[in-house]
Amino acid sequence: DAGVTQSPTHLIKTRGQQVTLRCSPKSGHDTVSWYQQALGQGPQFIFQYYEEEERQRGNFPDRFSGHQFPNYSSELNVNALLLGDSALYLCASSLSSNTGELFFGEGSRLTVL
Amino acid sequence: RKEVEQDPGPFNVPEGATVAFNCTYSNSASQSFFWYRQDCRKEPKLLMSVYSSGNEDGRFTAQLNRASQYISLLIRDSKLSDSATYLCVVNGGYQKVTFGTGTKLQVIP
Repeated sequence: DAGVTQSPTHLIKTRGQQVTLRCSPKSGHDTVSWYQQALGQGPQFIFQYYEEEERQRGNFPDRFSGHQFPNYSSELNVNALLLGDSALYLCASSLSSNTGELFFGEGSRLTVL
Repeated sequence: RKEVEQDPGPFNVPEGATVAFNCTYSNSASQSFFWYRQDCRKEPKLLMSVYSSGNEDGRFTAQLNRASQYISLLIRDSKLSDSATYLCVVNGGYQKVTFGTGTKLQVIP
């Protein structure tokens, strides 16, 4: 049973560029959430997707957008990258019917130069 | 006030010691509560859920006090392998999950 997989694991971009991160949820899970984790901080909620729609959103600008596909996989897009966007981006999957455990991928570490 | 606040740490404790972490949350309507563990440069993983009646899993005990909006984690007989960052997590409903900043634990030989 594959867990949550994310790609790429590491990437380097320059300011102003755009990036797309990908996530495949754990088998059987229908909900995908994205988090940004800066060094020394806890994960910050970006948004959550369920049934191909954004269901909840944290305090992130519109430069952060996402998508969920019919197979429940998801993408996170960040436009006009800033130095402050450098962080570990974590994808978490869960069951919509469950208020419990989130399963995390290993994350995509983004460095913006 | 932050939605979820934790002890800042770091906590440096000798092997075999008992250590306790605290966490407070601001949303009184929060529905479920968890402790996650995160190793250095790894993803968070669920350590245990937290129930009003309190729950224990081996050396780990979690407590929830809804009246005080307070969660705790107690680790007994600390092992070197317990060294990690412990994240307090609150589900405010509709799976709006908020993480604390984490408390770093270093168990010393």
